[in-house]
Formats: sequence, C-alpha cells, structure tokens
Amino acid sequence: DAGITQSPRYKITETGRQVTLMCHQTWSHSYMFWYRQDLGHGLRLIYYSAAADITDKGEVPDGYVVSRSKTENFPLTLESATRSQTSVYFCASSETLGLNSPLHFGNGTRLTVT
Amino acid sequence: AQKITQTQPGMFVQEKEAVTLDCTYDTSDQSYGLFWYKQPSSGEMIFLIYQGSYDEQNATEGRYSLNFQKARKSANLVISASQLGDSAMYFCAMREGPGNQFYFGTGTSLTVIP
Repeated sequence: DAGITQSPRYKITETGRQVTLMCHQTWSHSYMFWYRQDLGHGLRLIYYSAAADITDKGEVPDGYVVSRSKTENFPLTLESATRSQTSVYFCASSETLGLNSPLHFGNGTRLTVT
Repeated sequence: AQKITQTQPGMFVQEKEAVTLDCTYDTSDQSYGLFWYKQPSSGEMIFLIYQGSYDEQNATEGRYSLNFQKARKSANLVISASQLGDSAMYFCAMREGPGNQFYFGTGTSLTVIP
C-alpha cells in the first residue's frame, strides 16, 4: 500500500531556475491536490485536478504550473523559482469530492530557493 | 474572514491526561465536513477524524473524539489519555462550498510532558 509518493523529499534550488516536484499515487483516486505549507498560513491550495487532463487553480497558483497526463501522476513545476516559494509542498488525493472524503497526503517536499 | 480558526498556537498536557484542542469554523452552508489532521515532527499529515454537519453524534476514533457544537460552530478535538507520541501539530479543516474545497486552520502545537 504505497499511497502517495512525493519526490524529492528535499530540494535546494536557485532563484530563477525551473524545478519540478513529483507526485505519484497508487490508489487511482480521481482528485489530486497541491498545497503549500507556511508558518502562520496553514495549508494553502495551489492547484487541483479532478481527472487526467483536468486541472484548476486554487488559492495561490501564481508562479506554478501543473499537468496531469496520467491519473496517477500530478507534477508541480515552478517555472522560475523565487525565494517566496520556499516552503513545504504537499501533494494529496481524495477518492471523491464528497464532503466526507478526507485528503490523503504524501510526505511532503521541503523546497528552499536561494 | 478566516474559515477555520485555531486560537491555541501551543498547548502542553501531562502524559495520561486528556486535552482539548479548539477549532471554530465559519460557513453559511448547511452541508459541510470537519476534519482533524496530525502532523508529527517527521512532517507527514495524518488524517485523524471526521464529523459531518448532519451527524448528531460526536465522532470518535480510538482516543480521539470530536466535540461538535453546531450552534457555536465549534469542532474541538479531544485526545484522551495523552501519550508522548501525541506530541505534534494538529490541524482542523473544513470541506465546504463550491467544489467542496478544504480550508485549514493554522494549527496547534501539542507537547505531551512525561
């Protein structure tokens, strides 16, 4: 039962570089999400996806790009990293969009932009 | 306005004692779901417990229970018989609104003292 796997676990990059965070799930959940976690802000939604090739913006999408060519993968790309994007990034999935359906999280990627 | 408010940035509890972590929420919807997550120092987000807005009974999961007071819009987490392994950040979350998105509080850091 692998669940959701995020890679890398830690990443240091320089301002202006492109970086991609990977997310892979084995549950075949339709819905996948990217959140960032910052002190004092809790978790904020970046992008989400209802199915392959269907994505939509969340609360803080600027500077990020997502794709979902396969149900199980949902990579997040920072096109030109900025220091304000230093954060912990969580990928999550949900079996349905039902009100009783919890989010299941990966272990997170700690990204530092220097 | 904040949808989820956790007013206790940090809490301490003696081992084997019970502790209540506060959560209030703001919604005009009649249908919503309330969740609690645990984030230990290792960083992963662990789903603990769910309460539906129409549930008349308080949810319980082992040593976790959710004290749901709908009129007061509160969804406090009660941990009974605290253990050292309960030391972690705890996040309250609500699922509601168009698209049934999740909204997270800023978390409460719980430290269990031996």
